[in-house]
Amino acid sequence: EIVLTQSPGTLSLSPGETVTLFCRASQSVGSSSLAWYQQKPGQAPRLLMYGASSRATAIPDRFIGGGSGSDFTLTISRLEPEDFAVYYCLHYGNSPLTFGGGTKVDIK
Amino acid sequence: QVQLVESGGGVVQPGGSLRLSCAASGFTFRNYGMHWVRQAPGKGLEWVAFMRYDGSNKYYADSVKGRFTITRDNSKNTVYLQMNSLRPEDTAVYYCAKDPNGYNWSYMDYWGQGTLVTVSP
Repeated sequence: EIVLTQSPGTLSLSPGETVTLFCRASQSVGSSSLAWYQQKPGQAPRLLMYGASSRATAIPDRFIGGGSGSDFTLTISRLEPEDFAVYYCLHYGNSPLTFGGGTKVDIK
Repeated sequence: QVQLVESGGGVVQPGGSLRLSCAASGFTFRNYGMHWVRQAPGKGLEWVAFMRYDGSNKYYADSVKGRFTITRDNSKNTVYLQMNSLRPEDTAVYYCAKDPNGYNWSYMDYWGQGTLVTVSP
């Protein structure tokens, strides 16, 4: 089983700032089979990125995914009020699929 | 637009059973794989199960293997999760989610709003 470790656990930031979230896999994730999700309280997760760097439908270009192998990043530029949420990475290269523990981005 | 609506959650005693349903609309259901994902209160996401578009193959997390069964009825655009021998640690919101592929699993591109399952004496 591939274990995903997300860092940092929590970030306190102001609107307008830029943030980079990290997701490290315990072994190489095949073919960049890595996705990112955003989840707000009381809501279902929302797909942001797949294939490590491809934006999902209607996701603004402020969100940029990168990385390969076992190290992946999600950078959010110019934080908007609606970006404050919990972010999860998901590996889907093989079974079992696993999620990282999440990074909470909250308002300073 | 894609819609996924879960139902069937509730309170059940340890050792009991429950069947969740997920009704799909807005896409050609029979062409896509489907997942179940759960989230314990205040915790992160955990993938539970995946089924291919035609039901020919199913995959499970070790934590539920042998206790949970994923099935689908393509004539009713519905995917199910039969949960047996429930444990307190199965308490969670259960989401169904669509896969953008049909044959092999990949990520989840659309999610339902979830249904809460509580396992408690």
